[in-house]
Amino acid sequence: QVQLQESGPGLLKPSETLSLTCTVSGGSISSYYCSWIRQPAGKGLEWIGRVYTSGSTNYNSSLKSRLTMSVDTSKNLFSLKLISVTAADTAVYYCAREPTVSRQLDYWGQGILVTVSS
Amino acid sequence: DIQMTQSPSSLSASVGDRVTISCRASQSISIFLNWYQQRPGSAPKLLIYGASTLQSGVPSRFSGSASGTDFTLTISSLQPEDFATYYCQQSYTTPRTFGQGTRVEIK
Repeated sequence: QVQLQESGPGLLKPSETLSLTCTVSGGSISSYYCSWIRQPAGKGLEWIGRVYTSGSTNYNSSLKSRLTMSVDTSKNLFSLKLISVTAADTAVYYCAREPTVSRQLDYWGQGILVTVSS
Repeated sequence: DIQMTQSPSSLSASVGDRVTISCRASQSISIFLNWYQQRPGSAPKLLIYGASTLQSGVPSRFSGSASGTDFTLTISSLQPEDFATYYCQQSYTTPRTFGQGTRVEIK
C-alpha cells in the first residue's frame, strides 16, 4: 500500500524559509508527479505545484517567485521550499501522488500544519 | 487559469437521500475532472477520476458524469459516513485548480 508522509517544522517566523519533505513508501515514485496542496483553516484547497521524478516542475504563478520543488529518487522523497513566508502561508500542507496518464491525485499524505507567527 | 465553480456551496440532506453536486469549468477540460471527499481533520480522498471512473474501493453509490464543461457528482443514497466536504478538481492543465467545495450536512 502506497503511503505518503509529510515532515518539517510546524512553526516558523515571518521571513523564514519553509522546508517540507514528502516521503513515499510502499511503491516506486518512478513515473509519478508529486503535487503539493495547501489548505488554510476553514478554507478550500489550493494547488501549490508539482515535481516529476525527472525533476521537472510546474508551479502556481502566485507562489512561483518564492517556490522550489525537488526530488531525490534514491530516497523516494520529494521536497518543497518556500522562502520569505508570511502569516498568509499558514495552512495544512499536503503532498499527493499524481500518475502521468490518468492525472488524478490518488494517494495523499495526512498533512502537516504549518503556522507562521512572530 | 481554469476556474472551477461548484454548486451549491452547502446542502442539508437526510440519510437515504439522493444528492447531486455540480461543478462547471470555465473552459473545456475534456474529461480531466476529479472528485474528492474530505472529512473534518482528514486529508482529501479520491472518489472519481476521469469524470466518471470510480476509484478502487469507493462505494458504488458514488457516480460521476459529464456534459461539456458541466460535471456532476451523485450520491445515490446518502450514508452517515458521507457527510463531508466535496471538491472537484481539473487535471487538464496546470495550474491544477479546485472548486471551492460543497459541504454536505445532516438535515
